[in-house]
Amino acid sequence: DAGITQSPRHKVTETGTPVTLRCHQTENHRYMYWYRQDPGHGLRLIHYSYGVKDTDKGEVSDGYSVSRSKTEDFLLTLESATSSQTSVYFCATRRELPIFNYGYTFGSGTRLTVV
Amino acid sequence: EDKVVQSPLSLVVHEGDTVTLNCSYEVTNFRSLLWYKQEKKAPTFLFMLTSSGIEKKSGRLSSILDKKELFSILNITATQTGDSAVYLCAVRVGGAQKLVFGQGTRLTINP
Repeated sequence: DAGITQSPRHKVTETGTPVTLRCHQTENHRYMYWYRQDPGHGLRLIHYSYGVKDTDKGEVSDGYSVSRSKTEDFLLTLESATSSQTSVYFCATRRELPIFNYGYTFGSGTRLTVV
Repeated sequence: EDKVVQSPLSLVVHEGDTVTLNCSYEVTNFRSLLWYKQEKKAPTFLFMLTSSGIEKKSGRLSSILDKKELFSILNITATQTGDSAVYLCAVRVGGAQKLVFGQGTRLTINP
């Protein structure tokens, strides 16, 4: 989607190294989310943010941290990457108005491989 | 724990067939149910359902929600090869407005 940019698009990293994924939005949406997608699991929520410096954990937050210092940027950090964190990571934002169609918009994803 | 379950997980049909995809849910603070289509990359929004019994329709796709029985169905009529994708069901839960996803249904349409 034109309003959300994820970087990098692909990354291969070694076990034990730190990795930061970036999500940048131009929509001025308050809510931002990080999901991971693995075969057989759909999308699972890692962390989310409901404003600058306001973040909380999702269902699979172990091994991940996030930061949101500006409305437009939401960073996901793997402090010490493990092979179980090999996945496709999606960032999403949520529009709050109009209420009848406040859908979620997803970025194009980051494919992360930990070797 | 909030849970969304989709069935079937995989479905292969011929072009022109009609398919029905199922989504059941158990969540503590239901707000709405959403359907997404995912091809190569990001999920794209199809429908959002909040009220029981009201069908949402877009071309050959339609969806309905049953809040008493806690499920939704997505129908696709006269399927085309371009309908091949993973279809994701998600429930928006209150508070932080999180989406809880099902596993997805991989639909393959053969010519």
